[in-house]
Amino acid sequence: DAKTTQPNSMESNEEEPVHLPCNHSTISGTDYIHWYRQLPSQGPEYVIHGLTSNVNNRMASLAIAEDRKSSTLILHRATLRDAAVYYCVGGTSYGKLTFGQGTILTVHP
Amino acid sequence: DSGVTQTPKHLITATGQRVTLRCSPRSGDLSVYWYQQSLDQGLQFLIQYYNGEERAKGNILERFSAQQFPDLHSELNLSSLELGDSALYFCASGTGDNQPQHFGDGTRLSIL
Repeated sequence: DAKTTQPNSMESNEEEPVHLPCNHSTISGTDYIHWYRQLPSQGPEYVIHGLTSNVNNRMASLAIAEDRKSSTLILHRATLRDAAVYYCVGGTSYGKLTFGQGTILTVHP
Repeated sequence: DSGVTQTPKHLITATGQRVTLRCSPRSGDLSVYWYQQSLDQGLQFLIQYYNGEERAKGNILERFSAQQFPDLHSELNLSSLELGDSALYFCASGTGDNQPQHFGDGTRLSIL
């Protein structure tokens, strides 16, 4: 299973972009990189996922390094509702998600 | 609302007991996944079912078992409960490998 490494915490100001980094140097060539976030007292929420190319959706963008050993989740304009624990999840096998410790994102008004 | 329903929301029981956690997946999702979240271990994958069949196993104890029924709902059975089994148990559902998983709000299990 791929091991992911993320900073323990990050801070941002409201309406500013946020770049959340993740290292996943052991990820296999066919495994996707997923990002989930978890708000207090809730289950994880899917954010975005990708294999090799950069991906965009209504929530965020995912930039994947060419060697696939790292990726960055980009929140274009942080809001207070984006404050959560963000998990970079790699190495799915038959859909198994291997969660790391995640990054606690604090958003200041 | 993820569309995944877990019951009960809270469960308090004693050591040595047995409990059953229930999960109803999103309409159309054939895969069900179970995860355990504790303060010291984080979120850990337990087991996956796909259309009634066990597909993958993670760090699931022998005291734990699961099944997926023909209507696709799933149950996680925990027996001979120990204090260390106190945790949040999440169910997720999805359409297949490398597709998004949609999580329920979890069942908080407290062992006294």
